[in-house]
Amino acid sequence: SSELTQDPAVSVALGQTVRITCQGDSLRSFYASWYQQKPGQAPVLVIYGENNRPSGIPDRFSGSRSGNTASLTITGAQAEDEADYHCNSRDSSSNHLLFGGGTKLTVL
Amino acid sequence: EVQLVESGGGLVQPGGSLRLSCAASRFSFSLYEMNWVRQAPGKGLEWVSYSGVRDSTVYYADSVKGRFTTSRDNAKSSLYLQMNSLRAEDTAVYYCATGYSGDDFYYFDYWGQGTLVTVSS
Repeated sequence: SSELTQDPAVSVALGQTVRITCQGDSLRSFYASWYQQKPGQAPVLVIYGENNRPSGIPDRFSGSRSGNTASLTITGAQAEDEADYHCNSRDSSSNHLLFGGGTKLTVL
Repeated sequence: EVQLVESGGGLVQPGGSLRLSCAASRFSFSLYEMNWVRQAPGKGLEWVSYSGVRDSTVYYADSVKGRFTTSRDNAKSSLYLQMNSLRAEDTAVYYCATGYSGDDFYYFDYWGQGTLVTVSS
């Protein structure tokens, strides 16, 4: 089956913009969904589809895709955005669902 | 608000079995796709299994196929995961999560708090 690849760790200065990426062949066919996970908590959906935010998710979170790479952008990162971020998509070659390995975001 | 509560986790020896349950409430369970997702200690999320709505379709990750069985009881608003032939690498927090299939995306929108399964002698 396919895989999704994420950078293990990314850092951003408070108030700056950060992009977290997710790469995989399946992303040429399917949009990624993104999840925020804080220590000891369940994941929370923050972006799905082309660029949709569930109710209650701040508009500083946005999503995009180019070729086989999906991106989650946080514009004006806040201290509370420090968390692990996971991408997921459908597998274009099977009925499976995929997750990336997760990216730990540090807000400096 | 949607509520998902997992139970049944614990310590089990390699080769043993365990059955997880997920009790759903405050939404129409029978109308939702359901999944099990796990997270090994310090690791990322791993999709485990999918339970469909209309035709009772189930799918499994290659890592658990043939060992794990997902089922649902819509009358009880419950999802189950029967885990057999457990291995050390199955040690993880197991989450149940609702899912939604779009034409060109899939997302998990509601998650339980998870139940820890530890496989060790």
